[in-house]
Amino acid sequence: NAGVTQTPKFQVLKTGQSMTLQCAQDMNHNSMYWYRQDPGMGLRLIYYSASEGTTDKGEVPNGYNVSRLNKREFSLRLESAAPSQTSVYFCASTVAQGFNQPQHFGDGTRLSIL
Amino acid sequence: QKEVEQNSGPLSVPEGAIASLNCTYSDRGSQSFFWYRQYSGKSPELIMSIYSNGDKEDGRFTAQLNKASQYVSLLIRDSQPSDSATYLCAVPGWSGYSTLTFGKGTMLLVSP
Repeated sequence: NAGVTQTPKFQVLKTGQSMTLQCAQDMNHNSMYWYRQDPGMGLRLIYYSASEGTTDKGEVPNGYNVSRLNKREFSLRLESAAPSQTSVYFCASTVAQGFNQPQHFGDGTRLSIL
Repeated sequence: QKEVEQNSGPLSVPEGAIASLNCTYSDRGSQSFFWYRQYSGKSPELIMSIYSNGDKEDGRFTAQLNKASQYVSLLIRDSQPSDSATYLCAVPGWSGYSTLTFGKGTMLLVSP
C-alpha cells in the first residue's frame, strides 16, 4: 500500500520555466492538499481539493495552479517558476471533509529554482 | 486566520527523560488536535490525535488537551535518540473542511 505518492522527488528549474508536480493517493480519500515548507515558516497550505471536482485557495496560492484530475490525483503547476518558489512541496490527503480528520503526507518534492 | 504557536527549540533532553512539548492555539472552537513527527529531510508523520479534554496515552506518548486554556501538549516518556525530530502541532483551519493549520514545530534533541 503506497499511500500518497509524489513525483518527482527532486527537481531543478530555471527561472521562468514551468513544471507540474504530481500527486496520487491509493487510500480512496476524498480530500487532497498541497503544502510548501520553508525554513522558519512551517507548513503552509497552497491549494486544496475538498472533493473530486472542487479546488480552493489556501494561504499562499499566488504563482500556482492545481488540477484535481480524478479522485486519486491532484497536481500542482508552476507556470513561470521564480526563485521564491524554491521549497519542499508536500501533498497530503484525508478521508473526507469535516473535523477530526488527520492528513497523511507524501514524501515530498524538493524543488530548486535558479 | 487561526494561529498555532510552538516554541521552536531545540528542546534538549537526556536519554530516558520525559520530553514535554507544548502548543497553544487561538481558536476556542477547535475540536480536534494532531501531533506530527518530522525527521530531518522526511515528511510529517501522524503520531497522536486528541479530541477531548484530558490525557490520551499511546505507548510512550501522551497527549494532553486543555480547551479552557487553549493548549495541547505532547509528553514523550523514556525518550530515545530516535525520538530526535521536529514535532508539529496542527488544528483545523477552516470550519467545515479538513484543512489544518500547523505550528512551526519544536525541534527535540535526545542525547545518549
